[in-house]
Amino acid sequence: QVQLVESGGGVVQPGRSLRLSCAASGFTFSSYGMHWVRQAPGKGLQWVALIWYDGTKKDYVDSVKGRFTISRDNSKNTLYLQMNSLRAEDTAMYYCARDSIASRPGWFDPWGQGTLVTVSS
Amino acid sequence: DIQMTQSPSTLSASVGDRVTITCRASQSISSWLAWYQQKPGKAPNLLIYDASTLQSEVPSRFSGSGSGTEFTLTISSLQPGDSATYYCQQYNSYWYTFGQGTKLEIK
Repeated sequence: QVQLVESGGGVVQPGRSLRLSCAASGFTFSSYGMHWVRQAPGKGLQWVALIWYDGTKKDYVDSVKGRFTISRDNSKNTLYLQMNSLRAEDTAMYYCARDSIASRPGWFDPWGQGTLVTVSS
Repeated sequence: DIQMTQSPSTLSASVGDRVTITCRASQSISSWLAWYQQKPGKAPNLLIYDASTLQSEVPSRFSGSGSGTEFTLTISSLQPGDSATYYCQQYNSYWYTFGQGTKLEIK
């Protein structure tokens, strides 16, 4: 079945870096755009970043531009999020999600179970 | 950015009730809208896409309608397992945005 499994979360000090991974299975990973979405504790959902199926287009929410980098390795069926210069406000559950359509923006389905990032000294 | 505003923020209803949640976009998004259900400690789950298309295996008591700037999610007969937070999301552009969520409680 289609599955996304995130890893790499943890507790990190402000200003430090962390890399999240999302392992995909059950579908042709190289055919789909992918996203990272985050949810601060007790708050709503915030889209963070997208990458096209072939990696040629990437985009980010303003609050992470210049600090976060989304990437993918289609040979390993894995999505990444490199997070640098982390701030307290980056504390959140981070979900990866598959886009639905290759040629235009689409809905997100499925989602992984999430990995928790806590930025604290 | 396109802002998405949901109402109400919280809702309490009884089993069997008909429930409606509204989502308004700050500009027209055609029918490029999805609804998600999120239960505590779980990832969001897609219910509806393209404003009114029910995702497979989602119970038919869920329905969506609307276009342009105003959209609704309706649960025709509330069940105990429907207690959750519901989010709308626009995908009119690559700047995806979500509503702030509607927490639905069962009386």
